[in-house]
Amino acid sequence: AQSVTQLDSHVSVSEGTPVLLRCNYSSSYSPSLFWYVQHPNKGLQLLLKYTSAATLVKGINGFEAEFKKSETSFHLTKPSAHMSDAAEYFCVVSEYLMEYGNKLVFGAGTILRVKS
Amino acid sequence: DGGITQSPKYLFRKEGQNVTLSCEQNLNHDAMYWYRQDPGQGLRLIYYSQIVNDFQKGDIAEGYSVSREKKESFPLTVTSAQKNPTAFYLCASSLGGGGPRAQYFGPGTRLLVL
Repeated sequence: AQSVTQLDSHVSVSEGTPVLLRCNYSSSYSPSLFWYVQHPNKGLQLLLKYTSAATLVKGINGFEAEFKKSETSFHLTKPSAHMSDAAEYFCVVSEYLMEYGNKLVFGAGTILRVKS
Repeated sequence: DGGITQSPKYLFRKEGQNVTLSCEQNLNHDAMYWYRQDPGQGLRLIYYSQIVNDFQKGDIAEGYSVSREKKESFPLTVTSAQKNPTAFYLCASSLGGGGPRAQYFGPGTRLLVL
């Protein structure tokens, strides 16, 4: 079974400084990985996805993530944080099972706080 | 605009009452999902449907029921058997077929117990 570990439950940065949200995954085969963002009392929005093409994936709002198979990591970064980036971020691995179809396995989430 | 809508935004349930949460999508997606979100626990899968007139239990299906009579709609009923229903409920959809797919989420319904 696949699993995801988000290494920090909370991250705090100052506006204009870089953001790093860490994610490690466990998978028995080549995974598909996603990052979602959730603002308070809202649904989840897809930030970016990795599906075995380029290892550096660019997403919306200036975010990007790098797939590193040797480290089983898929960390999310942004060069310069904006106040509107304050939200909870979920790292997700997808597995396709014949009996379940497309199943997403969610990390526990990282809350990003941006200080002015 | 294509997307997923959920209603109501807030729902109050009295003890012993069944309540139904609505989920509609116009993305022409075959697959639809219901998740429950509790603070600090991430998302847990309740039910999913890969195609019309077919659905399967997820990881925490007890106390819930669903139907999939139309491609666009996947309502979730929280029954009186669900003893701890207070949570944020999220509906999602994705393309069907083989292989991993991104899921697209609705805005959620917050269920509270009176």
